[in-house]
Amino acid sequence: SQKIEQNSEALNIQEGKTATLTCNYTNYSPAYLQWYRQDPGRGPVFLLLIRENEKEKRKERLKVTFDTTLKQSLFHITASQPADSATYLCALDMVPFSGGYNKLIFGAGTRLAVHP
Amino acid sequence: ETGVTQTPRHLVMGMTNKKSLKCEQHLGHNAMYWYKQSAKKPLELMFVYNFKEQTENNSVPSRFSPECPNSSHLFLHLHTLQPEDSALYLCASSQGAGQAMKNIQYFGAGTRLSVL
Repeated sequence: SQKIEQNSEALNIQEGKTATLTCNYTNYSPAYLQWYRQDPGRGPVFLLLIRENEKEKRKERLKVTFDTTLKQSLFHITASQPADSATYLCALDMVPFSGGYNKLIFGAGTRLAVHP
Repeated sequence: ETGVTQTPRHLVMGMTNKKSLKCEQHLGHNAMYWYKQSAKKPLELMFVYNFKEQTENNSVPSRFSPECPNSSHLFLHLHTLQPEDSALYLCASSQGAGQAMKNIQYFGAGTRLSVL
């Protein structure tokens, strides 16, 4: 069956450390992968997109990797801050086999808590 | 502000009520989406409209009825809902529905719905 797995347990880290969040998937072949941030009571906010032929993408303190062989994406936040505390969602961007449009399939998200 | 506005932010309704959720986007996007988000579960895509045409109905019960009068407005009409329909309903828009960068989604803050 098709699955997207993100750590259901909250990730607790100390301020200044690097947070690493994992997104694993099975029986999907996404062309792209997106990461979103969601704060309590708010909608998700887009952070980064990475293509299947890209190994790594960076934006300020954020870094995303995409390994289509392992079927895994890692999301890193370096020099983490308490303001980075939120839930982070990965989403597979599926190119349709027969026409239509790309569909985003979301993981359930991992909650990150950065402690001072 | 994401450019996507949802009203109301909170809604409590009985199982026999009829209500509507409203979404408006000020981004000039061509695609709009309804998602359902239940606690600890991934976002579930409900409906997609591309250039005002419905292109996806993800096996959603008929007690949910979408309406898209133009590319900027999207409604979700609710009637005879069940308690299990209580969730956060999120509206999103994207530039298009089909290509990587055009499929990045901008979400509203959501409507927290409670069905009694």
